[in-house]
Amino acid sequence: ETGVTQSPTHLIKTRGQQVTLRCSSQSGHNTVSWYQQALGQGPQFIFQYYREEENGRGNFPPRFSGLQFPNYSSELNVNALELDDSALYLCASSTHEGGTQYFGPGTRLLVL
Amino acid sequence: GQNIDQPTEMTATEGAIVQINCTYQTSGFNGLFWYQQHAGEAPTFLSYNVLDGLEEKGRFSSFLSRSKGYSYLLLKELQMKDSASYLCAVRVGNNRLAFGKGNQVVVIP
Repeated sequence: ETGVTQSPTHLIKTRGQQVTLRCSSQSGHNTVSWYQQALGQGPQFIFQYYREEENGRGNFPPRFSGLQFPNYSSELNVNALELDDSALYLCASSTHEGGTQYFGPGTRLLVL
Repeated sequence: GQNIDQPTEMTATEGAIVQINCTYQTSGFNGLFWYQQHAGEAPTFLSYNVLDGLEEKGRFSSFLSRSKGYSYLLLKELQMKDSASYLCAVRVGNNRLAFGKGNQVVVIP
């Protein structure tokens, strides 16, 4: 059984640029949730994808967007990067019926 | 809104028992999770409570009181590898998790 994987592991961008982060869900899981974790804070919910559609969104602006593919993998896109977007981005996969969310290793994004 | 409170840091001795508390006020409740997170790594699942009472899993136990909006995680026979942040998370609608800031536990010899 393969766990949740994310790529890349680290990324450095400059303000105003765009970034795409990728996540492959755990075998048997059809739902992917994305979280942002700033240093010293708990993860903050960005959005969730199920059946290739957004299924709930946290308090993040529209420049945060996502996709889910037929194989349940997912992408997080962030446009017009700001310094405050520097954080660890975590994805978690689960079953849609309220199963436990299992996290990937995260992508650490630094915006200069 | 979601409000989940945890103490920020505690220090304990190897072999001891430590209790990590979590209080919550959330719009919706569908279970409470505890995750362990080592520095720079992903959170790993420890335990889940949806009904009141104690769930035991080896050295880790978790307790929930829904009427009091309160949970704790009990770590027994502390080991150096238990030094980590412990995150309390409430599942609120659509299977989204609302996290506390985490409690940093430092285990000393």
